[in-house]
Amino acid sequence: GENVEQHPSTLSVQEGDSAVIKCTYSDSASNYFPWYKQELGKGPQLIIDIRSNVGEKKDQRIAVTLNKTAKHFSLHITETQPEDSAVYFCAAIGGGADGLTFGKGTHLIIQP
Amino acid sequence: SQTIHQWPATLVQPVGSPLSLECTVEGTSNPNLYWYRQAAGRGLQLLFYSVGIGQISSEVPQNLSASRPQDRQFILSSKKLLLSDSGFYLCAWGTNYGYTFGSGTRLTVV
Repeated sequence: GENVEQHPSTLSVQEGDSAVIKCTYSDSASNYFPWYKQELGKGPQLIIDIRSNVGEKKDQRIAVTLNKTAKHFSLHITETQPEDSAVYFCAAIGGGADGLTFGKGTHLIIQP
Repeated sequence: SQTIHQWPATLVQPVGSPLSLECTVEGTSNPNLYWYRQAAGRGLQLLFYSVGIGQISSEVPQNLSASRPQDRQFILSSKKLLLSDSGFYLCAWGTNYGYTFGSGTRLTVV
């Protein structure tokens, strides 16, 4: 099955700086890569996703890049703000119905 | 639009007691439904998934079971809870176009 590795486990950046979270996956058949943001006590919320036929996708301050050859994808947050503080999960899925495989999460801390 | 309802939000149960967590989906038909557990603060572990009524696949052996009595209803159960069943349980529905999570149930077994 799929295996997703996520780094770092904790990331602390100054407000206004950029944050980058990286993930690798093992199944070359995986074709959908979402990123979720989870605030304390709440369910994960989708913030951006990318499919395997696209190399980069951007939505305001958030961008995701995908390198299919290397089997890694990254989340980029620019001009970080205090409300960006949360746990972020990457995930991958192939063609099966057994759902997303998640990374272990990154606790992003925005220092004022 | 599609919505997913999950309840209760929090639950404290004694060891050995039964469990029933319910999840319902609106605005879609024949969804793939999932139960995840989140323990120790972060990681999400897939417990069960269902592609249709009465169809349940289990990802890990455990003290829990799942049922799908209706197309848009997914239930997580246990006959006798263990301390290790404590955690944050999340229901989700998914298609090839994305996944949506419920708000979660915080279960504490005491």
